[in-house]
Amino acid sequence: EPEVTQTPSHQVTQMGQEVILRCVPISNHLYFYWYRQILGQKVEFLVSFYNNEISEKSEIFDDQFSVERPDGSNFTLKIRSTKLEDSAMYFCASSDPRTVTGGTEAFFGQGTRLTVV
Amino acid sequence: QKEVEQDPGPLSVPEGAIVSLNCTYSNSAFQYFMWYRQYSRKGPELLMYTYSSGNKEDGRFTAQVDKSSKYISLFIRDSQPSDSATYLCAMNAGNNRKLIWGLGTSLAVNP
Repeated sequence: EPEVTQTPSHQVTQMGQEVILRCVPISNHLYFYWYRQILGQKVEFLVSFYNNEISEKSEIFDDQFSVERPDGSNFTLKIRSTKLEDSAMYFCASSDPRTVTGGTEAFFGQGTRLTVV
Repeated sequence: QKEVEQDPGPLSVPEGAIVSLNCTYSNSAFQYFMWYRQYSRKGPELLMYTYSSGNKEDGRFTAQVDKSSKYISLFIRDSQPSDSATYLCAMNAGNNRKLIWGLGTSLAVNP
């Protein structure tokens, strides 16, 4: 069964460092997303991406964050200068806009646990 | 008022019990309602989605949406220990694909 894969599974970084989280969405999906989940809190939307551009972003997704689809299979989230409060699980997801729901149902990867020290 | 509210539990039931999980929401524009299952330190796994009001059944799982009450439910029949996980509701307004999430309910099914 197709799945979203994320690497690394765990990343430890020092405050102020740049990190890149990587994702391979399901191959025939066209919408891509990043969500995050701080321990004990709700899953939060960060950004959606379609047709090589950001389609929506939350207030969390400030200038420190960027996304890129560098080739036909990868989708990345970059955090330029990490803060302690960026420590969270980051989930990549993808969806297919050609379904009856127009791609509303999203399929998630296993997540990258980011720890900023 | 929070957009989506979900009792975090924990909920503990014996094997074979019927489980009822619920969420309430405040945004009347929500049209798509999802239930995800999340095992510890894993990603959310889509169980079911429902569009607008009504019921949807898939095996031992039934999802219900009551838009007039802004209340959604997930029922699990004949619960199994393997159903032990956190169950998250998520929803969106249909004009975008951003999902708004509940906190999740932790469920333990005891053999």
